[in-house]
Amino acid sequence: ETGVTQSPTHLIKTRGQQVTLRCSSQSGHNTVSWYQQALGQGPQFIFQYYREEENGRGNFPPRFSGLQFPNYSSELNVNALELDDSALYLCASSGASGGAQGYGTQYFGPGTRLLVL
Amino acid sequence: GENVEQHPSTLSVQEGDSAVIKCTYSDSASNYFPWYKQELGKRPQLIIDIRSNVGEKKDQRIAVTLNKTAKHFSLHITETQPEDSAVYFCAASTGYSTLTFGKGTMLLVSP
Repeated sequence: ETGVTQSPTHLIKTRGQQVTLRCSSQSGHNTVSWYQQALGQGPQFIFQYYREEENGRGNFPPRFSGLQFPNYSSELNVNALELDDSALYLCASSGASGGAQGYGTQYFGPGTRLLVL
Repeated sequence: GENVEQHPSTLSVQEGDSAVIKCTYSDSASNYFPWYKQELGKRPQLIIDIRSNVGEKKDQRIAVTLNKTAKHFSLHITETQPEDSAVYFCAASTGYSTLTFGKGTMLLVSP
């Protein structure tokens, strides 16, 4: 198992609500990436944080936002939840620099399963 | 952006047989190609990866090959066992640690 942890494990929300998901990165890793995995699909990249700054973003609307803290843990916030936001949300930590030279191996947390009703 | 195609979507083999999963990518700048195994209800786990300066890499029963010219890479599992049953994902990265995943292959190994 990796040292990446996520909380909560499961969450049920209603449409229009807001949610915050949390991720603790593996010791020694300074980069956290967030992915959305719909049922039966591969993970889709949401965004990445490196040293508290957003370092790349996928094709997700601005209501998906995030933070990274000085200890490299991270939060994913989703506002105005929609039914299609129901998915497994995965975070992955890596030790890459996050810059042009980095392709650090990513290790995934167990995920948070979000259900929007 | 990068696009990764993965085939087949499902693969059934008998225990002891070999299994091959193939992926193609679109961005010639991609230089890192990991493979993840995801069991039902669990996190994706890295099983092997390859970088663009290497053509082949092997780890016990698992091997990955990369053809940069054709922009495709493959996962080979030999002597399959029932515990190899899972969904396998290939991914590609252009070096910013952002992974683009394929849609996955469900491998079923029958005893």
